[in-house]
Amino acid sequence: DTAVSQTPKYLVTQMGNDKSIKCEQNLGHDTMYWYKQDSKKFLKIMFSYNNKELIINETVPNRFSPKSPDKAHLNLHINSLELGDSAVYFCASSQKGVNLGGYTFGSGTRLTVV
Amino acid sequence: AQTVTQSQPEMSVQEAETVTLSCTYDTSESNYYLFWYKQPPSRQMILVIRQEAYKQQNATENRFSVNFQKAAKSFSLKISDSQLGDTAMYFCAFMNPLGGGADGLTFGKGTHLIIQP
Repeated sequence: DTAVSQTPKYLVTQMGNDKSIKCEQNLGHDTMYWYKQDSKKFLKIMFSYNNKELIINETVPNRFSPKSPDKAHLNLHINSLELGDSAVYFCASSQKGVNLGGYTFGSGTRLTVV
Repeated sequence: AQTVTQSQPEMSVQEAETVTLSCTYDTSESNYYLFWYKQPPSRQMILVIRQEAYKQQNATENRFSVNFQKAAKSFSLKISDSQLGDTAMYFCAFMNPLGGGADGLTFGKGTHLIIQP
């Protein structure tokens, strides 16, 4: 069973559309994250979500909104997509305690905005 | 805010050689975690090794070891007996454990390592 699963793996859409990427983890982890990897492979955190507390990276446009229906899911919704949103988006999860920092990443979603 | 710097955009070595990837970081914290992640062409992010700053002993995982120099804020990764499957992007990352790590990981820009047959 995949520990952190993201769907879809690939997403091609037109500018101005609204899209969602889903993420689920079956590890029982406390915290979930969304990271963006740009065309130069640079990874940057977008959001973290822990016990209903959302921490937002201040550089993320408000067109991006995470939604967590429960502890095992953190979906990413994007409104009014722009060309610059094209990137690979990674979901991840981690647990507090002795394994702090033991992040598990999903396999990524390649978003292409045309 | 923390910063992580990887000064080698790309490195290439022959199979079976030893290679060292460099990483420096900047932080005012005294307790933190450091990581090396591997990203092969499949784009999956794979944890290679991690180091807690309060531990003086350098972490090792099979052929992978680190040289952690806290005073110099340096965290290099050594890969011994390199294999073709080690070809990948390698990312150095920093984490502040305050708040349970909710701030996430701060990554360097990565080093593309190529192992030549």
